[in-house]
Amino acid sequence: QIQLVQSGPELKKPGESVKISCKASGYTFTDYAMHWVKQAPGKGLKWMGWINTYTGKPTYADDFKGRFVFSLEASASTANLQISNLKNEDTATYFCARRSSRIGFDYWGQGVMVTVSS
Amino acid sequence: DIQVTQSPSSLLASLGERVTITCQTSQSISNNLNWYQQKPGQAPMLLIYYATSLQTGMTSRFSGQYSGRSFTLTITSLEPEDIANYFCLQHYSAPYTFGAGTKLELK
Repeated sequence: QIQLVQSGPELKKPGESVKISCKASGYTFTDYAMHWVKQAPGKGLKWMGWINTYTGKPTYADDFKGRFVFSLEASASTANLQISNLKNEDTATYFCARRSSRIGFDYWGQGVMVTVSS
Repeated sequence: DIQVTQSPSSLLASLGERVTITCQTSQSISNNLNWYQQKPGQAPMLLIYYATSLQTGMTSRFSGQYSGRSFTLTITSLEPEDIANYFCLQHYSAPYTFGAGTKLELK
């Protein structure tokens, strides 16, 4: 069955970096784009951007340009999100989500809680 | 950016009750809106895609309708396993935007 399994929770200090992963299984990884979504505590969901899993080209939403990097380990069917120079406001749960051209966002990872605290 | 206004933000309902949640978009998106159910600590689960199509494997208690810029998710007869958060997502144009969510609780 189709699954997106994300890495475990992270506790980081301001200024540090974090890399979280999203491992896909049950389908051909390069056939579907992978999107990233942020959910800050008590806040709504915010779309961060996406990566073309065939070409590796990332596209970032305006609020996520600069410190955020989407990457792939295609041989491992894994998409990664790296955040550098972490700030308190990066404290959130980060989801990966597969996008199907036929359905839209269909499968989601379970989310990774990233806590930034000194 | 397309704004998505979801209501209500919270809802108390009884088992067997009919429940309706609404999303209104700031501009026309045709039928490019999906509905999701999210339980604490779990991945969001797709319920309805393209406004009216029931995702494979989802119970037919869930249905979606739309008219113009107004979209509704209906649960025909509330079951205990339906207690969750629900949100909508417009995937008509980037940046894709979400409703703020509805927390559905038992009365």
